Amino acid sequence: DIQMTQSPSSLSASVGDRVTITCRASQGISNYLAWYQQKPGKVPNLLIYAASTLQSGVPSRFSGSGSGTYFTLTISSLQPEDVATYYCQKYISAPWTFGQGTKVEIK
Amino acid sequence: QVHLVQSGAEVKKPGASVKVSCKASGYIFSGVYMHWVRQAPGQGLEWMGWINPNSGDTNYAQKFQGRVTMTRDTSISTAYMELSRLGSDDTAVYYCARQGMWGGGDIWGQGTMVTVSS
Repeated sequence: DIQMTQSPSSLSASVGDRVTITCRASQGISNYLAWYQQKPGKVPNLLIYAASTLQSGVPSRFSGSGSGTYFTLTISSLQPEDVATYYCQKYISAPWTFGQGTKVEIK
Repeated sequence: QVHLVQSGAEVKKPGASVKVSCKASGYIFSGVYMHWVRQAPGQGLEWMGWINPNSGDTNYAQKFQGRVTMTRDTSISTAYMELSRLGSDDTAVYYCARQGMWGGGDIWGQGTMVTVSS
């Protein structure tokens, strides 16, 4: 099975900072990559699919890029409401595989 | 509006089984695969499998083969996930998630907490 590895596992940044999370696939997955945001005690919320397509209603400060085995999620200006854990997911075929998550906190 | 509404929290003893339901509304239930994902306390997301509501075909993660059964009742637009021989490490929130046209999970249920404790 294809493995997904996120880094860092956690980060602390100031409001307004640019934040980047990376996700690597153990094999090429083209652009079959999604990003989810999960706030404490809440359901995962889709942010981006097809590596770079913003889900409707998601703020434009979120963006995704990448293809093949290397992907990034960027928050251009971190806001207090962005405190959450972020997961990448490959969906090119079963099984869905998630990264281990990146916890984002405010410094 | 599309919704997935799951059944309520469960407490089970080790060795027992649990069956979680996921009722869909706002779209054609039989037209879209339904996935199940779980999350143990403080842990990440773990995919369990999918069911094709139209055919009833299933695809289970190897880890759960022989222990999980996914079914559906199209007459009431509801998917089910049953997990047997529960152990303490099955304590988790279980989510159903609709597969969007692009392939991943676009709509998720609210989650069902399953606690396994003697």
